[in-house]
Amino acid sequence: DAGVIQSPRHEVTEMGQEVTLRCKPISGHNSLFWYRQTMMRGLELLIYFNNNVPIDDSGMPEDRFSAKMPNASFSTLKIQPSEPRDSAVYFCASSPVGTLRSSYNEQFFGPGTRLTVL
Amino acid sequence: LAKTTQPISMDSYEGQEVNITCSHNNIATNDYITWYQQFPSQGPRFIIQGYKTKVTNEVASLFIPADRKSSTLSLPRVSLSDTAVYYCLGPRDNQGGKLIFGQGTELSVKP
Repeated sequence: DAGVIQSPRHEVTEMGQEVTLRCKPISGHNSLFWYRQTMMRGLELLIYFNNNVPIDDSGMPEDRFSAKMPNASFSTLKIQPSEPRDSAVYFCASSPVGTLRSSYNEQFFGPGTRLTVL
Repeated sequence: LAKTTQPISMDSYEGQEVNITCSHNNIATNDYITWYQQFPSQGPRFIIQGYKTKVTNEVASLFIPADRKSSTLSLPRVSLSDTAVYYCLGPRDNQGGKLIFGQGTELSVKP
């Protein structure tokens, strides 16, 4: 298995532009997570899907952020409009079970997308 | 508010055993304790998980006392490639929902 696949690996954009990050989870995993990592705030969970349905989006910072999971093999995280403070590494992770409210906590992380908003 | 506390950084030398302790005072009865490892420019990677007493796998051991208010990750005979940030996850947030990654412990292994 190729693991969790994210694209692009690096994105540089200007303030105000729309940014779309993409994720392909591991086949057969039914939970998908989007995280953001910065030096100041560490690793933060943004949103969590189970069986393609958003379960917890309380970590999404603002209405500028949206996430979709149209099918079991694809998810997007969109920022519109982007701002310099959105600069971070965005990770997608998948898990074979719903982990947020269960005791099994193994999540498989992708390589991340490093976003820079100028 | 649910919280884990770990040392911010640790130094070690190749071949030594490294023990990283995490405190999680308000862990819930049904919460497991999980440790992740993150190398620079990579996503975190699951290392080990336990509920109480001791768990061992090919990478590490995890010691959890009876009161479960802390846990210790033990890395036997570390090498340079064990240089990474190690995260302890335990208590959920105060809404009973998502698990929280703390600030992690930055382990530096020197030759």
